This record gives sequence, C-alpha cells and structure tokens, in this order.
Amino acid sequence: GDSVTQMEGPVTLSEEAFLTINCTYTATGYPSLFWYVQYPGEGLQLLLKATKADDKGSNKGFEATYRKETTSFHLEKGSVQVSDSAVYFCALNQAGTALIFGKGTTLSVSS
Amino acid sequence: DTAVSQTPKYLVTQMGNDKSIKCEQNLGHDTMYWYKQDSKKFLKIMFSYNNKELIINETVPNRFSPKSPDKAHLNLHINSLELGDSAVYFCASSPESSGNTIYFGEGSWLTVV
Repeated sequence: GDSVTQMEGPVTLSEEAFLTINCTYTATGYPSLFWYVQYPGEGLQLLLKATKADDKGSNKGFEATYRKETTSFHLEKGSVQVSDSAVYFCALNQAGTALIFGKGTTLSVSS
Repeated sequence: DTAVSQTPKYLVTQMGNDKSIKCEQNLGHDTMYWYKQDSKKFLKIMFSYNNKELIINETVPNRFSPKSPDKAHLNLHINSLELGDSAVYFCASSPESSGNTIYFGEGSWLTVV
C-alpha cells in the first residue's frame, strides 16, 4: 500500500540555520503531497501542499517541491527561528483514501 | 470561529469505562475522519465518513464505534477502555476524500488509568 518515509529526528539546529527534512513516498497513481506541522500541545496545521509533479508548495518561508522522478517532497527553510520548533509530518492523499502520514520529525531550534 | 472542534480536550478515565468524544465541523465539508496519535507521535487513520456513510474503517477494535448523525458531526464512542487506548484522538474534515486539504481539530488527550 501507499506509504510515506521521512527522516528520523530529532533535528537540532541553531537559529538562522538551513533546514532540510527529507520525505519520500511510495504510491500507485498520482498522490497529492502535504506537510503538516504540530506545535507543542496543539493540533495539526497544514504548512504547505503540492498536488502534481513539479509543483512547489510554500508558506512561512518553508518550501517543498513535488519530485515524481525521485518520489520525494523534501521540506526546506533557509533560516529557521526558535518559533519553528515543532513536529513536522509529511503526508500523501489519493482518491478514496485518507491522508497517510510519515512518522513525524521533531525540530528543535535554539537561540 | 473554530472550523473543526472536538470535546473534551482532556479526558482522564479509569479502565473499563465507556467514553465519547464529540466532533463538529462548520466548514460544510462532506468527509470527516478520526485519527489516533500514539505516544511516539505516529498518526493513523481510524475511520472516515463521507456524507454520513462509513467509507474507511481501519483495523480498529470493535470497542471503538463512530457515529455520524449528520455530515457536520462525527462522534467517537469507546467501550471498555483499556490502558493502550491512551492517546491523542484527532477529528478532521475535508471537502472530498482526495486531493484536498484536510483540516484538523485540536485533539482530545485521552488518558486511561
């Protein structure tokens, strides 16, 4: 079945560092891809999404490009802030299925 | 206005009890979901309803029973609670069952003692 694999954390960075969180997927067909973020003690919020190959999703300085050839959707940010500390989830969605999540990557940013 | 709201946010209960978590969405979406997040933060789909009809029912014990009285509500009832049921339960909704953003509630933290 469909699945999402993302790099294990925790990822620990200093403020203003460059962030990459790797995400790859396995799916039949053409899924939509998402990044969700969960701040401590809160629910999940959509960070960005891409619905077809070569689409780039972006929000709050975060970006991810849907790469069909490498089945990847890596999350990047050029300069992280302490307030970006959270758990980040990569996910995919296809017709007739619910959102399938990766295991989450915890990001901790220190000043 | 909260788009997807669920109650209660925190629930501590004893083993063997029966409890319910309620969920309502005011987004006009046709599809609603229940997800379970375990202590390692792993999120897994439990159920999905489309316009009050059950469309996804993952391998979940029979003690868990969803009920959708209308397309804006999806409640989760749990019988004979066990320690392993302790988790965060998220309700969510989306305009349709594929390709669109899924909106999550803030979660219900269930602790079984």
